[in-house]
Amino acid sequence: GNSVTQMEGPVTLSEEAFLTINCTYTATGYPSLFWYVQYPGEGLQLLLKATKADDKGSNKGFEATYRKETTSFHLEKGSVQVSDSAVYFCALGPYSGAGSYQLTFGKGTKLSVIP
Amino acid sequence: SQTIHQWPATLVQPVGSPLSLECTVEGTSNPNLYWYRQAAGRGLQLLFYSVGIGQISSEVPQNLSASRPQDRQFILSSKKLLLSDSGFYLCAWSLSRDTQYFGPGTRLTVL
Repeated sequence: GNSVTQMEGPVTLSEEAFLTINCTYTATGYPSLFWYVQYPGEGLQLLLKATKADDKGSNKGFEATYRKETTSFHLEKGSVQVSDSAVYFCALGPYSGAGSYQLTFGKGTKLSVIP
Repeated sequence: SQTIHQWPATLVQPVGSPLSLECTVEGTSNPNLYWYRQAAGRGLQLLFYSVGIGQISSEVPQNLSASRPQDRQFILSSKKLLLSDSGFYLCAWSLSRDTQYFGPGTRLTVL
């Protein structure tokens, strides 16, 4: 079945440092890939998505590229801010042929950015 | 634009009491609706989803149930809460099989 593996946190970085959060997946077919962000006490917000191989999703300075050959979707940001402190979830969309509606989530990576 | 509401925001209930959490979506028609639970230190678990009024699919057998009495309303219920029902409950909507948009969540503590 589908699965997502995220690097375990917590990750602590200084402001303006470079961020990478690794995400690899196992899937049937060619599903969409997502990154969601959850700020303390809030729901999940869609950060970016990619729908096919070699697509790059980007938003608010974050980027991730759908790599079919390495089954990866790593999240990157060139210069993090304190306001980026949150939990980040990598997610895999359902395979349409299977009739599923379920997103498969990684366990989340907590990022703390210190001034 | 579409918005999703959940209430209450927080809830403290005794073991054995009933539960009703509500989710409503505005600005769209015939959305797919979802209930997730996020337990402390764990990932997200899909509990129920619905593709239309009165159509509910359960992903995990448990003492919770869901109903969809109106197109944009999704309710999560229980007749008797267990300690293990504590967690953060998230409602989500989508117009297709992939991108889902989440509500602000309800923090449930069962004592």
